[in-house]
Amino acid sequence: SQQGEEDPQALSIQEGENATMNCSYKTSINNLQWYRQNSGRGLVHLILIRSNEREKHSGRLRVTLDTSKKSSSLLITASRAADTASYFCATITGGGNKLTFGTGTQLKVEL
Amino acid sequence: EPEVTQTPSHQVTQMGQEVILRCVPISNHLYFYWYRQILGQKVEFLVSFYNNEISEKSEIFDDQFSVERPDGSNFTLKIRSTKLEDSAMYFCASSEGPTGGYTFGSGTRLTVV
Repeated sequence: SQQGEEDPQALSIQEGENATMNCSYKTSINNLQWYRQNSGRGLVHLILIRSNEREKHSGRLRVTLDTSKKSSSLLITASRAADTASYFCATITGGGNKLTFGTGTQLKVEL
Repeated sequence: EPEVTQTPSHQVTQMGQEVILRCVPISNHLYFYWYRQILGQKVEFLVSFYNNEISEKSEIFDDQFSVERPDGSNFTLKIRSTKLEDSAMYFCASSEGPTGGYTFGSGTRLTVV
């Protein structure tokens, strides 16, 4: 089993629509983070939500966390073609010292 | 905006050769990391480094790998005898604290031939 499974694996939407990506994890966490990766490039930190938080916003991003279900979702509102990228959830466990990444969702936003 | 700098951006090496991947983390960050991503696969943790020593390493990080912080600014990953399966994108990252967000470099694409 893996810490950080995401669905869908791929998502294609029209510009202006909302995109929702989900992440499930196995063990208890200190926090959960979302990162974005443009093709062949580095990872960019988007948002961090702590285990005692349920929802967080940053611009067009909304993240929720349900620790009872060990799941999180990332919502991108009013998507743009420039949002096309892979999105990864990553967790830091309670006593941990490292980020563990999920499998990622490839988002394509079409004009 | 401060950034993590990695060099080179692309390295091609013969199987069995040693390579050193270099990183300059953000200056006030205390925690440093190496990750790798084989093409089309997930991002995998290799090693974390704090206070001039390894704090955690994965099973991937075997005896052929080593890390060093030779001076106050650089953080290096050495692969002693490269194998074909070491071909991947290697990312360096740094963070202020152990549980905060990481800042990643743009990566070094290592190709072993």
